[in-house]
Amino acid sequence: AQKITQTQPGMFVQEKEAVTLDCTYDTSDPSYGLFWYKQPSSGEMIFLIYQGSYDQQNATEGRYSLNFQKARKSANLVISASQLGDSAMYFCAMRERRAGGTSYGKLTFGQGTILTVHP
Amino acid sequence: ETGVTQTPRHLVMGMTNKKSLKCEQHLGHNAMYWYKQSAKKPLELMFVYSLEERVENNSVPSRFSPECPNSSHLFLHLHTLQPEDSALYLCASSQEERRGEKLFFGSGTQLSVL
Repeated sequence: AQKITQTQPGMFVQEKEAVTLDCTYDTSDPSYGLFWYKQPSSGEMIFLIYQGSYDQQNATEGRYSLNFQKARKSANLVISASQLGDSAMYFCAMRERRAGGTSYGKLTFGQGTILTVHP
Repeated sequence: ETGVTQTPRHLVMGMTNKKSLKCEQHLGHNAMYWYKQSAKKPLELMFVYSLEERVENNSVPSRFSPECPNSSHLFLHLHTLQPEDSALYLCASSQEERRGEKLFFGSGTQLSVL
């Protein structure tokens, strides 16, 4: 079974509108972290936002917010006021904690969602 | 400018060639990683180095050989690759032992094996 599922291969949004990119995850570890990365055509993976499993509030970073619903195991990314430069591939990733230590940055990634922002 | 630099950006090699990918991080991190990104597949972790010691090798074929001479540099030595090894190879670094620490990625090396 996939640990990270992104069900939207592609999404389209009008400039200045908000868009939600879906992510569901599967883990039995009570301590985990969820990340969103943006990958433009240049190839670099750019960190956007992080949510810890014990964090009480949804994470926000500028125009990015994470709609964290722990019981449903979902961690959707919301981008407000979309800009043309937001057009890129977006990846959801999860980091689980090994017993007795860190997970050494072992992120499990979803398949990604291609976001296209129209003017 | 990213804190993780990868060279070369593009590489075309034959199946009998030997080449190396280089990664350098300028962030003072203590862990470095190689990830592989193939078309239509999620990113796959290949190797992890923590404090210059390899701590994970995700069943990667021996034709891929990593090297971490110090905490700032990471290499991936390639030999007798197969066409299915064509992919984007991403290097990343992080400061471990901090909860929620994110990985910083380089721009990747786009590898084509002919």
